[in-house]
Amino acid sequence: EDKVVQSPLSLVVHEGDTVTLNCSYEVTNFRSLLWYKQEKKAPTFLFMLTSSGIEKKSGRLSSILDKKELFSILNITATQTGDSAVYLCAVFSGGYQKVTFGTGTKLQVIP
Amino acid sequence: SQTIHQWPATLVQPVGSPLSLECTVEGTSNPNLYWYRQAAGRGLQLLFYSVGIGQISSEVPQNLSASRPQDRQFILSSKKLLLSDSGFYLCAWALGLQETQYFGPGTRLLVL
Repeated sequence: EDKVVQSPLSLVVHEGDTVTLNCSYEVTNFRSLLWYKQEKKAPTFLFMLTSSGIEKKSGRLSSILDKKELFSILNITATQTGDSAVYLCAVFSGGYQKVTFGTGTKLQVIP
Repeated sequence: SQTIHQWPATLVQPVGSPLSLECTVEGTSNPNLYWYRQAAGRGLQLLFYSVGIGQISSEVPQNLSASRPQDRQFILSSKKLLLSDSGFYLCAWALGLQETQYFGPGTRLLVL
């Protein structure tokens, strides 16, 4: 059975801190890994990673994939209260539509 | 630009009652459409997906069903709700073979 595990489950930091969120996976026939940010309602897309070692960057957020060790990290530098959310990791594998989500990391940034 | 709508936003239903949640997408043609459920403290679980009108694939056997009567309309239904059907239901769309999925605002369902 495909598995996606995120850690930590929750995290509380102060504004300005840097955080690293982890996503490890065990799937058959990996296709891609996606990161989403979920605030009150719908998850919003952050990154899609398909190749090892290539960092994706968007402002203060960045992410990288290691297909050998089967994990990805999401980094957020100079955190702001607006970064408070649940961060979801999803892995597409096997057949065309097979997707497995992790349970998420809940990040709280306090002033 | 593309937008995705879901309604209702919140729903409280008694056990044994029927359910119909609707999702529509604007600004794109022939999208792949998805229904997910997110239970409290758990990740998203893919329930159904559709690659075209009338084409529905189920990922998890349960008392829910889905239909796609039009290209940009996806409906999640149940004839008799169970307590365990409570959760946050999200509809998503994606363009063809691309795997980035864009989510609707969700429906929070509470079955009592």
